[in-house]
Amino acid sequence: ETGVTQTPRHLVMGMTNKKSLKCEQHLGHNAMYWYKQSAKKPLELMFVYNFKEQTENNSVPSRFSPECPNSSHLFLHLHTLQPEDSALYLCASSQPGTMSSGNTIYFGEGSWLTVV
Amino acid sequence: RKEVEQDPGPFNVPEGATVAFNCTYSNSASQSFFWYRQDCRKEPKLLMSVYSSGNEDGRFTAQLNRASQYISLLIRDSKLSDSATYLCVVMVLEYGNKLVFGAGTILRVKS
Repeated sequence: ETGVTQTPRHLVMGMTNKKSLKCEQHLGHNAMYWYKQSAKKPLELMFVYNFKEQTENNSVPSRFSPECPNSSHLFLHLHTLQPEDSALYLCASSQPGTMSSGNTIYFGEGSWLTVV
Repeated sequence: RKEVEQDPGPFNVPEGATVAFNCTYSNSASQSFFWYRQDCRKEPKLLMSVYSSGNEDGRFTAQLNRASQYISLLIRDSKLSDSATYLCVVMVLEYGNKLVFGAGTILRVKS
């Protein structure tokens, strides 16, 4: 059982729809991430939040809008997406400042998004 | 040049075989190194960290060569359950300790 849960697990949306992905972590971490994984490509970091503050926006188009109301929850709001945005969206969490010592990030099971 | 490069495979090996994957990284400021495992349609999970002196965890051995900027993963006595994609992951200090992922190497162990 993962300490990071994502909903929905699968989502099909039209290009004019508005939808949201939700992530919740039960690990007491203070850093949360959104990654995108497309077929045969490396994971791409999209956004980073540390202690609820956005510390990284990796040149993500504005049709993706993150929201972090507290250290345990992270949302990704989706609006007017394109078919090429279809991918697996992974949420992750970690404890800031510990990764170099061998601690690492923990991923949710991902949300499979298809844009039609 | 990709920041983290891996042979995509697939590596098709029989049960019991020994298989090795290499990964090269381009940024000499890379600080920490990891191997993750990702099963089909699942999330990545940490397999093992890679230490400068090399480290072993059961059938898995990881090595780091900083001079040549590559990391390796050796799997001995392969099991069917080892079939997965293995992701090489590098943490780069100048990127604020963010993780950079390789695209992964596919391993298929067959009976």
